[in-house]
Amino acid sequence: DTEVTQTPKHLVMGMTNKKSLKCEQHMGHRAMYWYKQKAKKPPELMFVYSYEKLSINESVPSRFSPECPNSSLLNLHLHALQPEDSALYLCASSQTLAGGEKLFFGSGTQLSVL
Amino acid sequence: DAKTTQPNSMESNEEEPVHLPCNHSTISGTDYIHWYRQLPSQGPEYVIHGLTSNVNNRMASLAIAEDRKSSTLILHRATLRDAAVYYCIREGDNNNDMRFGAGTRLTVKP
Repeated sequence: DTEVTQTPKHLVMGMTNKKSLKCEQHMGHRAMYWYKQKAKKPPELMFVYSYEKLSINESVPSRFSPECPNSSLLNLHLHALQPEDSALYLCASSQTLAGGEKLFFGSGTQLSVL
Repeated sequence: DAKTTQPNSMESNEEEPVHLPCNHSTISGTDYIHWYRQLPSQGPEYVIHGLTSNVNNRMASLAIAEDRKSSTLILHRATLRDAAVYYCIREGDNNNDMRFGAGTRLTVKP
């Protein structure tokens, strides 16, 4: 199983809503990532977890709250988002954070904030 | 700071080789060079990576300059399914600090 599964595939939310994005992998990877991708732009790194601990936070606003409850699961909790937060949110995983590790990406959650 | 420079777009004819260049002039000795591609409506997909020596796999070849300041992804026979955005990534100071550059949009003409 070399898949990274993201749910939901699409999400529409209002600015006052609270929602969560979920990412799951069963490859035994210990590093997991969140990226944000606006249309026709490259993915932007948001957060990196290593062994369930936050390793990198790219100065992301607090309305995005990541959580890694176990080595297979990564969540992104969303609260009070703005319309400009509408984007494709991509999850990825790698064996570890050692150099030269391949990243495996999910297909993403397309988020629309109204 | 993505630390890589790529042409915005390139075109190729089907079944011809494609050479996609990337500059990473500030690379340090232990930074791997990765290539990923992204097809429409999909997440990025791993293509190849290397450190110093040239690398080959079933998808592509990676040629790394001797000074490591640049590299070239080689698709030996482009197909229509290879049309995608190709990203060259230089690992950051924290190893898998994987920041994407702007990428090269490859168009393959039949």
